[in-house]
Amino acid sequence: KQEVTQIPAALSVPEGENLVLNCSFTDSAIYNLQWFRQDPGKGLTSLLLIQSSQREQTSGRLNASLDKSSGRSTLYIAASQPGDSATYLCAVMRGGSYIPTFGRGTSLIVHP
Amino acid sequence: GAVVSQHPSWVICKSGTSVKIECRSLDFQATTMFWYRQFPKQSLMLMATSNEGSKATYEQGVEKDKFLINHASLTLSTLTVTSAHPEDSSFYICSAVQGNGQPQHFGDGTRLSIL
Repeated sequence: KQEVTQIPAALSVPEGENLVLNCSFTDSAIYNLQWFRQDPGKGLTSLLLIQSSQREQTSGRLNASLDKSSGRSTLYIAASQPGDSATYLCAVMRGGSYIPTFGRGTSLIVHP
Repeated sequence: GAVVSQHPSWVICKSGTSVKIECRSLDFQATTMFWYRQFPKQSLMLMATSNEGSKATYEQGVEKDKFLINHASLTLSTLTVTSAHPEDSSFYICSAVQGNGQPQHFGDGTRLSIL
């Protein structure tokens, strides 16, 4: 059974810092990995999708990397802003069955 | 693009009521829709996978007769919580994908409160 772990569970930083959020998974037979952002009481907004054959994806200040063999992904946030405050979730899509498994998320607070 | 609409956003009702939640893909056809449940400060728990025109596949521990899922078209899936009780109170979220392995696009969720 796929297990997804996100570290740290919570993070509070001053504005401007560069951040690294970690996601690890136990079964490397994945089809893709997707990072999401969730604001309180809301649904999820997709940030980046990395296919299993890819190593990284970038969008603006966000960069996500994937090392499938070691079961790890990182989300790098450059020059953090208060508007980045949210919970960040990673989800891996199982190869073959295409069933997603989510981590518990990292709760991020960026204070001015 | 890739907008998913979920309705209603909030429901408060009495114990014993059945509640229907709709999930629509507005600008794409969704071959698969996923239904999740989320408890406060917890991650998303996958309840079932819904494919258009076929029966939903439920995750272990999820009661099929309690949570009825219908995926009648490529743009609409519904989740009906039958005879809801207070322990069914939760945040329910759907997502839709255009094809196998494609990105998930989420609705805004439905907060269900059973009195």
